[in-house]
Amino acid sequence: KNQVEQSPQSLIILEGKNCTLQCNYTVSPFSNLRWYKQDTGRGPVSLTIMTFSENTKSNGRYTATLDADTKQSSLHITASQLSDSASYICVVSLHNQAGTALIFGKGTTLSVSS
Amino acid sequence: EAGVAQSPRYKIIEKRQSVAFWCNPISGHATLYWYQQILGQGPKLLIQFQNNGVVDDSQLPKDRFSAERLKGVDSTLKIQPAKLEDSAVYLCASSLVLSELSEQYFGPGTRLTVT
Repeated sequence: KNQVEQSPQSLIILEGKNCTLQCNYTVSPFSNLRWYKQDTGRGPVSLTIMTFSENTKSNGRYTATLDADTKQSSLHITASQLSDSASYICVVSLHNQAGTALIFGKGTTLSVSS
Repeated sequence: EAGVAQSPRYKIIEKRQSVAFWCNPISGHATLYWYQQILGQGPKLLIQFQNNGVVDDSQLPKDRFSAERLKGVDSTLKIQPAKLEDSAVYLCASSLVLSELSEQYFGPGTRLTVT
């Protein structure tokens, strides 16, 4: 069964600290992995997209890693800011003869406090 | 450039009533998606359009949900009759092309509460 599991479910950190969010997936055939940021009451916004051959991709203070062998990804946030408080969703794309489908994780809710 | 527009932003209805949501994708985007996001979960794809044709509606509860994109631009999603479990945020997204690497741009969503 195609699934995306994220951990932790929620996280509270102090402003300025770093944190790492985890994503494990069992999706086949794998096409790419995406991380989205979803602010409360808003739609998700793409942070990174990584294909099978990419190990790491950065977007400002956000760095995503991908280990296609172990089917794990992480999102590292450096020097957190209050505006980083949001839900971070891991999304794995599969592509087969039927087309492309996105499998969403449930997200990790990050709260950054001052 | 303008983003994906959705309306209304909030809707409260009683069970067994009908409701419709509207989505205007980013100009020029051929692919349009409707997602259902239940509180505490990730979005679930309901239906995907390529221009005015349906690409994937395998997870759309067709006995009560319907969607159309008649002119290949705006789209409406309808629920008739609504059930309590339909309470969720309904997200519309669009992408320029139908590709496995296409970036999807999401609208702000419509929060539906069924009482």
